[in-house]
This record gives sequence, structure tokens and C-alpha cells, in this order.
Amino acid sequence: AQSVTQPDIHITVSEGASLELRCNYSYGATPYLFWYVQSPGQGLQLLLKYFSGDTLVQGIKGFEAEFKRSQSSFNLRKPSVHWSDAAEYFCAVGEKGNKLVFGAGTILRVKS
Amino acid sequence: DVKVTQSSRYLVKRTGEKVFLECVQDMDHENMFWYRQDPGLGLRLIYFSYDVKMKEKGDIPEGYSVSREKKERFSLILESASTNQTSMYLCASGFSSSGNTIYFGEGSWLTVV
Repeated sequence: AQSVTQPDIHITVSEGASLELRCNYSYGATPYLFWYVQSPGQGLQLLLKYFSGDTLVQGIKGFEAEFKRSQSSFNLRKPSVHWSDAAEYFCAVGEKGNKLVFGAGTILRVKS
Repeated sequence: DVKVTQSSRYLVKRTGEKVFLECVQDMDHENMFWYRQDPGLGLRLIYFSYDVKMKEKGDIPEGYSVSREKKERFSLILESASTNQTSMYLCASGFSSSGNTIYFGEGSWLTVV
């Protein structure tokens, strides 16, 4: 069965610093991979997704992610974090029929 | 803009009550989903539907049922609410092809006392 691991439950970064959130997946075929963000009390918003082609994917709000098949990873990055980026981030892998399997999430705190 | 609307944002129900959570989408999506979100566990799929009157169990269907009488509406039903069903419930919808984006509602916070 497919699974997604986000090793970091919490991450704290200073405003203006770079960010990398880790995601590892287990999937037999070429995966569909997603990153979603959730602000407190809200639903999930899609940041970016990978289907095929270029392994570096650009998303909204200045985020990017890199698919590395050899490491089964899809890490999310941002060069300079803003206080408004504080939220919970979820990595997900797509199954047949458009179901998603989610990781446990990483809570990002931004200190000024 | 895609809109997935969950009519109840905050509910407090008593143990044993029957609870209905309603979700409506306005994009003519074939697929609709109900997820449950708990701290440290991420989102877990309860049920999904790929067409009117069609449903399939997800990973944690016990204690829940669903109804999809119209394409735009997908209801989650707790037949007899229990305290361990206190959680955030998220509805989502999307087109049926694998890899298509699914869009989420804002969530329904359910507390069972």
C-alpha cells in the first residue's frame, strides 16, 4: 500500500531564512505527488503537484519542490520564508481514481 | 473559482446522536471524498464516491456511512456518534482522472460529548 512519511512534525525557521520540508513516499509506479498547505481552522490549499517531466516543480507563493526518484522524495523548498507562511504542510501521493494518501503533516513556525 | 462548501463549520453533538455532515461542490466533479483529520495522523480517507449513488470505503469507514443522491452533494453520516469521532472532517472533490487536483472545503469541526 502507498504511504507518505513526513519526518518532521514541527519546524521553526526565522523570517527570511530558507525552508525545506521533507517528504518520502512509498509507491510502486511513477507517482503523482502533491503538497498542500493548511492555515489554522481552514481547509487545504494546493501548493504544487508533480505528474511527470521536469523534476523541479514551481508552485504558488514562491514554493518549489523537487522529485527525486532514487530517494523516493519530494521535498518542498522556499528560499525566503515570510511570517504568513506559518501553517501546516501536507505531502500526498495520488492513487488510482484520484484518491490521495497523506502524510502526517509538518507544522511550520516562523519567528521574527 | 472552485467552491466546495461544508454547511456546518462547528457542531457539538451528544453521544448516540445521528449526525449529518453536508458537502456541496459547484464544479461538476465526478469524485467526492470525505477525510478525517487528527493531529499527528494527517488526513485519513473515510469514504469516497465516483458517481451518483456510488460509494467506496476508504481506510477508516467504521462508524460512518455516506449518501450521494445528486452529483454535487455528498453527505457523511454518523449513525450513532461516539466521543472517538470528535475530529475535523474535510470534504473534497475532483475530476475522475488519476492525478487531477482535488479541492477541499473549509472543514467541519465535530465535538461529541
